[in-house]
Amino acid sequence: DGGITQSPKYLFRKEGQNVTLSCEQNLNHDAMYWYRQDPGQGLRLIYYSQIVNDFQKGDIAEGYSVSREKKESFPLTVTSAQKNPTAFYLCASSIQGKAEAFFGQGTRLTVV
Amino acid sequence: EDQVTQSPEALRLQEGESSSLNCSYTVSGLRGLFWYRQDPGKGPEFLFTLYSAGEEKEKERLKATLTKKESFLHITAPKPEDSATYLCAVPPYNTDKLIFGTGTRLQVFP
Repeated sequence: DGGITQSPKYLFRKEGQNVTLSCEQNLNHDAMYWYRQDPGQGLRLIYYSQIVNDFQKGDIAEGYSVSREKKESFPLTVTSAQKNPTAFYLCASSIQGKAEAFFGQGTRLTVV
Repeated sequence: EDQVTQSPEALRLQEGESSSLNCSYTVSGLRGLFWYRQDPGKGPEFLFTLYSAGEEKEKERLKATLTKKESFLHITAPKPEDSATYLCAVPPYNTDKLIFGTGTRLQVFP
């Protein structure tokens, strides 16, 4: 089945630690995105990548980093510099030139 | 500034009671408006894409319409399984990123 797989589904992080969220897609999409979702707020764009080995900051990139070494994979690292990392993180992908995005099932990150 | 506003924030309906959700947008050069359904703890599920004013799309009890300033998601005779948060989104001009509204949380009671 084609789709987007995010792992893990739940993640707990101690303060001061970096954590990496995985996102893999087998849709052969060129573009991939990371969004953050908080209660009462719309999805906000963290980073996006339109092609391998290239990515751009979104609206709330501070405290996050990404890499795009393979077309299928777009991991997101939440660093200790992110002041309020507890949130629901969503990965998405789309065909290049089309904004219609398809989403994974999300990772809920909690700082303990 | 590109913006998407959804209303109402929450909507409670009796099963069978039809209603509409609103999505108002401000964007230069609309290249599509997208509707998604999101269940609690899950990722958004794509529903519809609308490209031009006057366009309509239907799926089961849902019908999406588009004008030059807003889109409506009409729900006809809803069932409890239609309960979810409905999100709309638009891409700003010349980019594939999406700007999302904050969603309408729909609850349908038997």
